[in-house]
Amino acid sequence: SQQGEEDPQALSIQEGENATMNCSYKTSINNLQWYRQNSGRGLVHLILIRSNEREKHSGRLRVTLDTSKKSSSLLITASRAADTASYFCATVAYTGGFKTIFGAGTRLFVKA
Amino acid sequence: GAVVSQHPSWVICKSGTSVKIECRSLDFQATTMFWYRQFPKQSLMLMATSNEGSKATYEQGVEKDKFLINHASLTLSTLTVTSAHPEDSSFYICSARERGDIAGELFFGEGSRLTVL
Repeated sequence: SQQGEEDPQALSIQEGENATMNCSYKTSINNLQWYRQNSGRGLVHLILIRSNEREKHSGRLRVTLDTSKKSSSLLITASRAADTASYFCATVAYTGGFKTIFGAGTRLFVKA
Repeated sequence: GAVVSQHPSWVICKSGTSVKIECRSLDFQATTMFWYRQFPKQSLMLMATSNEGSKATYEQGVEKDKFLINHASLTLSTLTVTSAHPEDSSFYICSARERGDIAGELFFGEGSRLTVL
């Protein structure tokens, strides 16, 4: 079952611009993670933010978490053509074990 | 970083046959592995949690007799799609957490694309 929604569903930007993706979820969580998937491949973990954290940075990535609104955002700064991929948020919550449930994803296309 | 190997990468089979997909953690032990299914341009749907040495836990709506999961060691989980039909055609992806990490990062295999004719 999917945890929530992501928007936009698709995003097309020019190289050098920033890309912002949003994620909303429905239940209480232990942490929230963002993953990247190149077409037809497995997923790669980008960043994890715990439920007691509000913001986290990793290189060109900035993630925010608002547990009161049950939402998160991923910002990719100074985007590159190589950032073209699908990006998924994933929530981790305990339901008889810690399960990772993925959002619908945002397809990002960065034009060179 | 931790590496998960999934095999085969793609498989084509006839309707009614069974297909086994392997998921191995190459450089770490995984007491728990997760199997996901992904339709084109859609998100990942959790199918089941594979527990080493015990029965898998299936998500609601997933037929356990259809999708047999075996997690016989700390580095290997298998998913067998039994009596496959065209509607079982999909991209199946396994993932694992490092032993002792109960809620952290998942390491994914490269996925297995199943086409049932």
